[in-house]
Amino acid sequence: QSVLTQPPSASGTPGQRVTISCSGSSSNIGSNYVYWYQQLPGTAPKLLIYRNNQRPSGVPDRFSGSKSGTSASLAISGLRSEDEADYYCAAWDDSLSGNWVFGGGTKLTVL
Amino acid sequence: EVQLVESGGGLVQPGRSLRLSCAASGFTFDDYAMHWVRQAPGKGLEWVSGISWNSGSIGYADSVKGRFTISRDNAKNSLYLQMNSLRAEDTALYYCAKDKAYYYDSSGYCDYWGQGTLVTVSS
Repeated sequence: QSVLTQPPSASGTPGQRVTISCSGSSSNIGSNYVYWYQQLPGTAPKLLIYRNNQRPSGVPDRFSGSKSGTSASLAISGLRSEDEADYYCAAWDDSLSGNWVFGGGTKLTVL
Repeated sequence: EVQLVESGGGLVQPGRSLRLSCAASGFTFDDYAMHWVRQAPGKGLEWVSGISWNSGSIGYADSVKGRFTISRDNAKNSLYLQMNSLRAEDTALYYCAKDKAYYYDSSGYCDYWGQGTLVTVSS
């Protein structure tokens, strides 16, 4: 059971806009930044969004992030076949164990 | 170009030990905190441990606390994970990840990842 909650799957057709949600609590998303990672099949995770809504250089502006309260979302517009991947949200958790927590991941299928 | 190359994985019996290494290049290693993150077969990501640039701050996931030890050698640009008392549930691909910040805390985040080394715990 992951600390951050994501839907296990999402799907869309090419050109569509899809969103992936990530729900947490006051000790993680509610008080810290949210990060999103993309993991293409058979590869290592890649940073997609940092500090809620910032894109590293090289990440297309089709990808955007937002946060409100204890939830966050990743939006992908103009969906492409190469966006088919697993997406993970992450945040620092201020609880006693003080560590990074991840969502369970969302498998995005491009139909 | 940032490169992180993990090694040391393999098949090990329950209760035994294994030491993972991560060789870093393409950046000033002692300017950044580092992490280990694992992924069980077909499962999601799980943060395992983090260490600040000078080893002054270290953290562990509850699932490995007391069994795993993270360390680094800045002179060798290397990160390590000593894993003792291994269990079947430790079976996973172990990734080495670079932090964006000096310190292991909420100010940083994992910005680069290696390709991982597979650890299989089985009799």
